[in-house]
This record gives sequence, C-alpha cells and structure tokens, in this order.
Amino acid sequence: DVKVTQSSRYLVKRTGEKVFLECVQDMDHENMFWYRQDPGLGLRLIYFSYDVKMKEKGDIPEGYSVSREKKERFSLILESASTNQTSMYLCASSYRTNTEAFFGQGTRLTVV
Amino acid sequence: QKEVEQDPGPLSVPEGAIVSLNCTYSNSAFQYFMWYRQYSRKGPELLMYTYSSGNKEDGRFTAQVDKSSKYISLFIRDSQPSDSATYLCAMTLSGNTPLVFGKGTRLSVIA
Repeated sequence: DVKVTQSSRYLVKRTGEKVFLECVQDMDHENMFWYRQDPGLGLRLIYFSYDVKMKEKGDIPEGYSVSREKKERFSLILESASTNQTSMYLCASSYRTNTEAFFGQGTRLTVV
Repeated sequence: QKEVEQDPGPLSVPEGAIVSLNCTYSNSAFQYFMWYRQYSRKGPELLMYTYSSGNKEDGRFTAQVDKSSKYISLFIRDSQPSDSATYLCAMTLSGNTPLVFGKGTRLSVIA
C-alpha cells in the first residue's frame, strides 16, 4: 500500500514564525502535491512537483514555498505565518499527474 | 464559472437507501475522473477511478461518466452508517496536469 506520511497531525504556531510541514512517500512516486482545505472552499492546490528540485505553482502559492531535495520528500514552508494560513494542509503523491493521488492524513495548523 | 461544481449538501439518508452524488464540469478536455471519500479529520482516499465515458462498478459503488453532458455521478447502494463522510469528485486532463477537485458533498447515513 502507498503510504504518504505527514510529520505532524496538529501544529500551533505564532504569527511571523517560519513553519515547515514535511511529507514523505514510500512508493517512488514522481509527483507530489500540497493542498490546503478550508470549509466551503474545498481543496486548493498550493504547489506541486514533477521531479526532484522541480516545482510548479498551484492556485494559491502566495505566502508559501516548497522544497524537494529528495524524490520521497516534499516540504511546504510558510515563510512568515499569518492567521489566514490557519487551515488543514494535505500532502499527496501520484505516479503521474493524471493518475490517482494518494493523500496523507493531514496537518491541522493553527496560527495564533 | 467554476471548473468543477459539486453540491456541498449536507445530504442525510436512512440506512439502506440508494445515494446519488453528482458533479458537473465545464472543461470538455477532462478525461480522467475520480471519486474520493474523506472521513472527518482524515485525508481523502480514492474510491473510484474511471477513464472517459461509461460506468464502473465496485461492490456497492458505481461511478458513471457522461462526457456529452459533462456530468459524473457516484451511486452508493444499500448505504451504511460507515458511508457517512465527505465525497469529493476529481478530474484531470491527459498529460502533466494536477487533479481539479469539487468542493465535496457531506453525506450522513442514519441508522
């Protein structure tokens, strides 16, 4: 079974902090994704990556950056956390972008 | 117009009912269609995957794609309380493009 593991289930951070969300997949997938999920807004794509050291902006990249130094690991970085970044963050991976994506369990981030 | 429209519900049905969940979309180039189930405080998990038009059945679940109407459906037969979750449709083009998700429909199956 594909396993996508996010480093934390719950995080509380202060406004202005730099926040790292880590995601690891164990199926040698080429593609990895970061989404945020908010009530009434659904899943919104922040960034995705086709390959190591490659990244593409999604629909809402502002305030975020990503890093993919190794194939299995994709990190989301909030450069200076703000309260409007309080959300559920979901990482996913897929063999190709037009195949099914497998999701992690999510990180619920609260910025105070 | 949003690319993918999905009624958010909530939808509440009695145990044993047939449930119909639907999505409409605007981009006729979409070719790959999926349904995900998401339990509360969990990540989405893939339920059904279909390519182009037609039906696909898996146990109590049937996915239907009508590309001419730009409409996809998920049917759940003999619904169970354990089916209570949010159901998200997703679709994509061919090539290297990410999935586009509907906002999800929250379903409650009452025992």
